[in-house]
Amino acid sequence: GEDVEQSLFLSVREGDSSVINCTYTDSSSTYLYWYKQEPGAGLQLLTYIFSNMDMKQDQRLTVLLNKKDKHLSLRIADTQTGDSAIYFCAETNTGTASKLTFGTGTRLQVTL
Amino acid sequence: NAGVTQTPKFQVLKTGQSMTLQCAQDMNHEYMSWYRQDPGMGLRLIHYSVGAGITDQGEVPNGYNVSRSTTEDFPLRLLSAAPSQTSVYFCASRGSSRPNQPQHFGDGTRLSIL
Repeated sequence: GEDVEQSLFLSVREGDSSVINCTYTDSSSTYLYWYKQEPGAGLQLLTYIFSNMDMKQDQRLTVLLNKKDKHLSLRIADTQTGDSAIYFCAETNTGTASKLTFGTGTRLQVTL
Repeated sequence: NAGVTQTPKFQVLKTGQSMTLQCAQDMNHEYMSWYRQDPGMGLRLIHYSVGAGITDQGEVPNGYNVSRSTTEDFPLRLLSAAPSQTSVYFCASRGSSRPNQPQHFGDGTRLSIL
């Protein structure tokens, strides 16, 4: 079945850039997503990218997709303490559009 | 502007007890899903529904039942709770099957089985 992997933890200083990485195995993935989960809350969609794109930028967020290597990254510019959360990568494909496969999540810690 | 509402927020059960986790959405979304979140394992799909009267199994369906009698509600039933079902459960909904339609998540139900 599909598999999505992420590193478990990332620590950055406030004001620096954060880069969270994700790899996936499903070559038929059509959409890839980044979700944010704050403590005690559900998941909130941050951004998504269609598989025929290489990059998408949305304010402080930049998503890069390397489809050949099946590698997705989320860059957060000027990281703030409010960015501390767990970030999940997820993918879906046209055949299973009602189902998402999630990664294990990366906990981002922002230090002063 | 309720979105997806899950109840209860916390629950402790004894092994063998049954319980229903409630999920309701007020966005008239066709698609609804239940996930469980365990440390180091991300979210795993339990069951999902593509409309009233239609349900299907996800990745980890054993020990759980669902039904979808209305568009708004998608309850998850544990018939005989087991300690392995200790987890955080999330309900989600989306408006259509188009992949660019985001899932809206509830705040979760934290369930402990003793």
